[in-house]
Amino acid sequence: DAGVIQSPRHEVTEMGQEVTLRCKPISGHNSLFWYRQTMMRGLELLIYFNNNVPIDDSGMPEDRFSAKMPNASFSTLKIQPSEPRDSAVYFCASSLIGSAEAFFGQGTRLTVV
Amino acid sequence: TQLLEQSPQFLSIQEGENLTVYCNSSSVFSSLQWYRQEPGEGPVLLVTVVTGGEVKKLKRLTFQFGDARKDSSLHITAAQPGDTGLYLCAGGPNFTNTGNQFYFGTGTSLTVIP
Repeated sequence: DAGVIQSPRHEVTEMGQEVTLRCKPISGHNSLFWYRQTMMRGLELLIYFNNNVPIDDSGMPEDRFSAKMPNASFSTLKIQPSEPRDSAVYFCASSLIGSAEAFFGQGTRLTVV
Repeated sequence: TQLLEQSPQFLSIQEGENLTVYCNSSSVFSSLQWYRQEPGEGPVLLVTVVTGGEVKKLKRLTFQFGDARKDSSLHITAAQPGDTGLYLCAGGPNFTNTGNQFYFGTGTSLTVIP
């Protein structure tokens, strides 16, 4: 298995633009997590899905952020409009429900200028 | 939100030295994990501890879960440059049939100088 696949690896965009981050979880995994990592706040849980259904989105910072999981093999995290303070590394992770291990993608480094 | 505090935040040591990293919380966890993250990569799981007082060893790394399942420590013996990285603890308080929810600690950045 190729592991969790995220795209793009790097994204540079101007303030006000829409940004879409993509994630393909490990085949067979039924939990998917979106995290944001910064020096100041560390690794923050934004939202997670079980069986494609959002379970907890309390970590989503504001309405500019939205996430979808239309099927078991694909999820997106959208920021619209983007702001410089959204600059961070965004990670997607997947696991099996009932497992204590999460597998992470390589992350998307987002820079909003 | 469960808060996991790690200490120290930064650690720079010479090759061959021993070190201990701590992970503390006021909450009880059903399990606790330790991850290591290298630059440009996502965190990778090192170990999971489940039972209070449990000790697990992974080569030169020793992990301990507190008796009350609120804290954990990671001890590295004879550190090597390859141990350099960001060490993260993570707690899974919501360990139910509906899913997992992992909250990560603040991280310890370790640098081992050759």
